[in-house]
Amino acid sequence: GNSVTQMEGPVTLSEEAFLTINCTYTATGYPSLFWYVQYPGEGLQLLLKATKADDKGSNKGFEATYRKETTSFHLEKGSVQVSDSAVYFCALPDSGGGADGLTFGKGTHLIIQP
Amino acid sequence: KAGVTQTPRYLIKTRGQQVTLSCSPISGHRSVSWYQQTPGQGLQFLFEYFSETQRNKGNFPGRFSGRQFSNSRSEMNVSTLELGDSALYLCASSLGTGFGHNEQFFGPGTRLTVL
Repeated sequence: GNSVTQMEGPVTLSEEAFLTINCTYTATGYPSLFWYVQYPGEGLQLLLKATKADDKGSNKGFEATYRKETTSFHLEKGSVQVSDSAVYFCALPDSGGGADGLTFGKGTHLIIQP
Repeated sequence: KAGVTQTPRYLIKTRGQQVTLSCSPISGHRSVSWYQQTPGQGLQFLFEYFSETQRNKGNFPGRFSGRQFSNSRSEMNVSTLELGDSALYLCASSLGTGFGHNEQFFGPGTRLTVL
């Protein structure tokens, strides 16, 4: 099946710093790619997605571009806030047909200090 | 519109017991999926139900089972609990089946501790 690798952290940054969380994938075909965020004590929320190569997903100041040449979907934000502290997961469908659930990276714990 | 709800939120069981977890999807959603989240293995897909039928199953032993009712509510059951079953169990619902193009909405999870 498909797989995803992401930096695990924790990643500690100061408020207003630039954020990059790396994500690379191995997949059959060109599946949709997702970033999910999990705040303490909560379930996962979809942060952004991209459905085809060169697409850029964006939401709440976060961006990620679907790069098929480098099989990457890195998450970026220009100026992080304390409220961005959470665990971030890169994900894609487990198979080319999109029928076998989502495969997630291990998660990156982001800590933003004031 | 109410989100995905899971009950109970916390559960403590002992080895050998069985447990049933419940998930109520967002109104109108017909697909319900279950995931297990542990510090060691991360998030792993358990199974998906759509229109009361199991569509897909992840790589878990037969002790893990589930079902879906006509109102789309779903339950998962784990029999003969083992210490390694301690985890956060997440339920997700979506309008349709197909994980590539149907947004998954996750519930807050049920934290299961096996002693």
